[in-house]
Amino acid sequence: DIQMTQSPSSLSASVGDRVTITCQASQDISNYLNWYQQKPGKAPKLLIYDASNLETGVPSRFSGSGSGTDFTFTISSLQPEDIATYYCQQYDNLHLTFGGGTKVEIK
Amino acid sequence: QVQLQESGPGLVKPSQTLSLTCTVSGGSISSGSYYWSWIRQPAGKGLEWIGRIYTSGSTNYNPSLKSRVTISVDTSKNQFSLKLSSVTAADTAVYYCARDLYYASNAFDYWGQGTLVTVSS
Repeated sequence: DIQMTQSPSSLSASVGDRVTITCQASQDISNYLNWYQQKPGKAPKLLIYDASNLETGVPSRFSGSGSGTDFTFTISSLQPEDIATYYCQQYDNLHLTFGGGTKVEIK
Repeated sequence: QVQLQESGPGLVKPSQTLSLTCTVSGGSISSGSYYWSWIRQPAGKGLEWIGRIYTSGSTNYNPSLKSRVTISVDTSKNQFSLKLSSVTAADTAVYYCARDLYYASNAFDYWGQGTLVTVSS
């Protein structure tokens, strides 16, 4: 099975900062990579699909890139409402797995 | 607007079977464009995909849970269901149902609110 290594597990940044999260797959997964935001007590929300496509209605400060084994998720200018845990998720060979999550806090 | 709602017992005894149902509204579960998945999250931990079903009844399961999981669909009721047998305390989690866009990297675009299931005697 493909393993997803997400880093960092947590980060603290100031409002307006650029925030970057990475996800590495143990095997080539092409662009089958999605990103989610989860706020406490809520279900995850899809932000990015197919590695770089912004879901409808999601602010443009969120973006994703990468293919193969290495992927990056970026918040271009961190806002207070972006405080959440972010997860990557991959699809391969009929199975789906999530990364371990990155908790984003305000400094 | 598609909505999903989980329902089922919030407390299950060890060794018994956990049973949950997800009711889909605002769209037909029989639409050919989607899979329908179950995902769980233990308190303070990450997300774990349990498995999914297509409208035809075809299923895929997480290999680590496959021996204990059954997912079924009832298109007449616009529902799909999860059964997890021989549960232990390790199965205590919030269980989510979600719609799976198989044509877009199997992204989950709609989720239920989640239901907490506690395994305890």
